[in-house]
Amino acid sequence: GDSVTQTEGLVTVTEGLPVKLNCTYQTTYLTIAFFWYVQYLNEAPQVLLRSSTDNKRTEHQGFHATLHKSSSSFHLQKSSAQLSDSALYYCALPNTGYQNFYFGKGTSLTVIP
Amino acid sequence: EAAVTQSPRNKVAVTGGKVTLSCNQTNNHNNMYWYRQDTGHGLRLIHYSYGAGSTEKGDIPDGYKASRPSQENFSLILELATPSQTSVYFCASGEGGPYYAEQFFGPGTRLTVL
Repeated sequence: GDSVTQTEGLVTVTEGLPVKLNCTYQTTYLTIAFFWYVQYLNEAPQVLLRSSTDNKRTEHQGFHATLHKSSSSFHLQKSSAQLSDSALYYCALPNTGYQNFYFGKGTSLTVIP
Repeated sequence: EAAVTQSPRNKVAVTGGKVTLSCNQTNNHNNMYWYRQDTGHGLRLIHYSYGAGSTEKGDIPDGYKASRPSQENFSLILELATPSQTSVYFCASGEGGPYYAEQFFGPGTRLTVL
């Protein structure tokens, strides 16, 4: 069945260094859009990035992601991590009926000084 | 003004008791969702609804019921609460459909079952 995999549960990076959060997916259906959600401590998840175009880079708040359908990936990257980027990040894609999301298990990012 | 609100924000319940979590949205979205969030499991879908009067089972519906009496309101009901249901619960609303719109989440309810 359809699924989303985030391989890292915890990522720690030093402020100013690059960070990459991995997301791969499996779907047997034409999927229109892919999402990254971010959840700051004691807050609700909110959309960080979305993409529906193969091989097109999408950027927001200094983060970027490129959907690669050939490798079924939608990794999230940032060239210079900031302390304020510490949060929980979820990769998500719609299910075959387009009514629900499949969420990955989340990656907790901690940026240290 | 927040478009998805939840009440209560914190709840302590006793094992075997009944718990009702409420959600209200002003987005006029057709779809509403209940998730629970646990470390190591991420967000897991409990129940969802396509509109007033409809409820559908998500991935982990056992031990939970849902009610959608109106477009705006969606409740999650634990008839016999158990300690394993201690978690943070999020409600969300969204449009769904092929050009998939995002889901908008409420602030969450922290439930502790003793």
